[in-house]
Amino acid sequence: ILNVEQSPQSLHVQEGDSTNFTCSFPSSNFYALHWYRWETAKSPEALFVMTLNGDEKKKGRISATLNTKEGYSYLYIKGSQPEDSATYLCAFIRSTGNQFYFGTGTSLTVIP
Amino acid sequence: NAGVMQNPRHLVRRRGQEARLRCSPMKGHSHVYWYRQLPEEGLKFMVYLQKENIIDESGMPKERFSAEFPKEGPSILRIQQVVRGDSAAYFCASSPQFAGNTEAFFGQGTRLTVV
Repeated sequence: ILNVEQSPQSLHVQEGDSTNFTCSFPSSNFYALHWYRWETAKSPEALFVMTLNGDEKKKGRISATLNTKEGYSYLYIKGSQPEDSATYLCAFIRSTGNQFYFGTGTSLTVIP
Repeated sequence: NAGVMQNPRHLVRRRGQEARLRCSPMKGHSHVYWYRQLPEEGLKFMVYLQKENIIDESGMPKERFSAEFPKEGPSILRIQQVVRGDSAAYFCASSPQFAGNTEAFFGQGTRLTVV
């Protein structure tokens, strides 16, 4: 069984706070790591596709880093806003297959 | 350019009936993936298809479940003789190439309830 772990499971922060959460995945047979943002009653929306060790990607106030040797990725949100409230999912893809292995997500609530 | 369209959004079936879930990928996308989310669980891979071909169905139960993606028309996930344990949200995603190294775009899901 391949485990993709996300922590914390849920997070409440005040508007304006910066926050980060973690995705842990197997360090062998790495192909790619995806981050998705999933708002209630909507579809998961891709944030980042990361393929190289040491990758750092940024989109507005959200950024992500990747360490494939130790098997983790961090997602950072700078100056959280209420509209950032969502579940953030990571998905690991290994080089030996086609499956996306999703974590169970980090649920972020930003309190105005 | 419409997004990934899934229908119906909600489906209620009695035990023993068949459920057909449809997924129309984004225009120009020839790769489709189906995922299932059971209550209180994360998204679990079921099947990966390209036009007219099943590439990987390792996540799909061996019995009662089948999927297709014909040359024309939407991808169909078919569940025969549904049981209560099939109650879940079923999501599909599409991409223009294998979504390992490019974005996959998700539909809003079909929520299947078996009564």
